[in-house]
Amino acid sequence: QKEVEQDPGPLSVPEGAIVSLNCTYSNSAFQYFMWYRQYSRKGPELLMYTYSSGNKEDGRFTAQVDKSSKYISLFIRDSQPSDSATYLCAMSGNAGNMLTFGGGTRLMVKP
Amino acid sequence: GAVVSQHPSRVICKSGTSVKIECRSLDFQATTMFWYRQFPKQSLMLMATSNEGSKATYEQGVEKDKFLINHASLTLSTLTVTSAHPEDSSFYICSARRFGAFFGQGTRLTVV
Repeated sequence: QKEVEQDPGPLSVPEGAIVSLNCTYSNSAFQYFMWYRQYSRKGPELLMYTYSSGNKEDGRFTAQVDKSSKYISLFIRDSQPSDSATYLCAMSGNAGNMLTFGGGTRLMVKP
Repeated sequence: GAVVSQHPSRVICKSGTSVKIECRSLDFQATTMFWYRQFPKQSLMLMATSNEGSKATYEQGVEKDKFLINHASLTLSTLTVTSAHPEDSSFYICSARRFGAFFGQGTRLTVV
């Protein structure tokens, strides 16, 4: 079993839909959680960064962390075709440690 | 957010030659940088952790003599692919942490 599990998709939604992306993990030591967006042949772009449990909102993006369930989510409101990309969750135990990544979910937002 | 710059973005080289990839943290100091390799439609695979002023830490299965890492300053780490072969063709990405981890643009290496 992988330390971080993420449904690979692809996830196809119509423009304007609310998108829900999720990851589960097994290591209870993880405290720092991140979501990245990666376009084809580009480096990952940091979207959200959260520490411990709770919610964080930034524009159309909301990140949720439930440490008791070892489950994190990223919600995208009013999805746009430009949101079509691969979304990666990542986490670590300490602020400076290497990240453990999920396998990525490919999202397609259709006009 | 913090910026990590990676250069070159794309390189084609002949088999047997060496290629150097640079990773710079532009607005913060990074004592640690990370080098990843990514195959098509797959997630990032950590190759090594680059430590400023000391030897890099390589992941299991990564040849340290083939993938030379130098972290000579707090803002620059380099990855040199030595004696490149076609199977080394891949997408290489560096990152540095400042709270979250910030990634370079990636380098697409093609060995012909």
